[in-house]
Amino acid sequence: NAGVMQNPRHLVRRRGQEARLRCSPMKGHSHVYWYRQLPEEGLKFMVYLQKENIIDESGMPKERFSAEFPKEGPSILRIQQVVRGDSAAYFCASSPRSDMNSPLHFGNGTRLTVT
Amino acid sequence: TQLLEQSPQFLSIQEGENLTVYCNSSSVFSSLQWYRQEPGEGPVLLVTVVTGGEVKKLKRLTFQFGDARKDSSLHITAAQPGDTGLYLCAGAGAAGNKLTFGGGTRVLVKP
Repeated sequence: NAGVMQNPRHLVRRRGQEARLRCSPMKGHSHVYWYRQLPEEGLKFMVYLQKENIIDESGMPKERFSAEFPKEGPSILRIQQVVRGDSAAYFCASSPRSDMNSPLHFGNGTRLTVT
Repeated sequence: TQLLEQSPQFLSIQEGENLTVYCNSSSVFSSLQWYRQEPGEGPVLLVTVVTGGEVKKLKRLTFQFGDARKDSSLHITAAQPGDTGLYLCAGAGAAGNKLTFGGGTRVLVKP
């Protein structure tokens, strides 16, 4: 049973380009969460999605960032016109339920570097 | 906004020593989870505590949830180099639809 798969593992973009980060949740999991982590820091919540729906995007910057979780295929976190401050590790996690007493299963992250 | 503060931020000890990591908040959480993260990887769940005053043991690790469900601690007995990593606490609030993470405690156990 494959875990949460994120790709690419590393992504380098120049300022102004677009970054697309993909996340395939564990089989049977319909709840996906995106978190961002700066070096030596904890994880900051960005967005929570269920299939075809954004449930909570309170942690997403209002501009340049968007997320989707289509009926078919992986969840996508899209960052348009990247800036140096977007450099970070982006983690996706999935869960079979919305109940937060059940654990989140994390992928190994995508490390975005903006040059 | 619910905030979780972890202390200390960094802990370096010798193999065989004990250590305690703290996770504190002014907010009440419905549950609290502890994760461990190694370099280049995602966090991995260690334990979930739900009931105020609850104590859970996982081999040499002991987790406690405060009576008021605002704080938690992780105690490691006779630490080993394999315990090295970033320890993160994460709380689920009343809305229950997302986890709020603390800033992490980086533990280094030297052989």
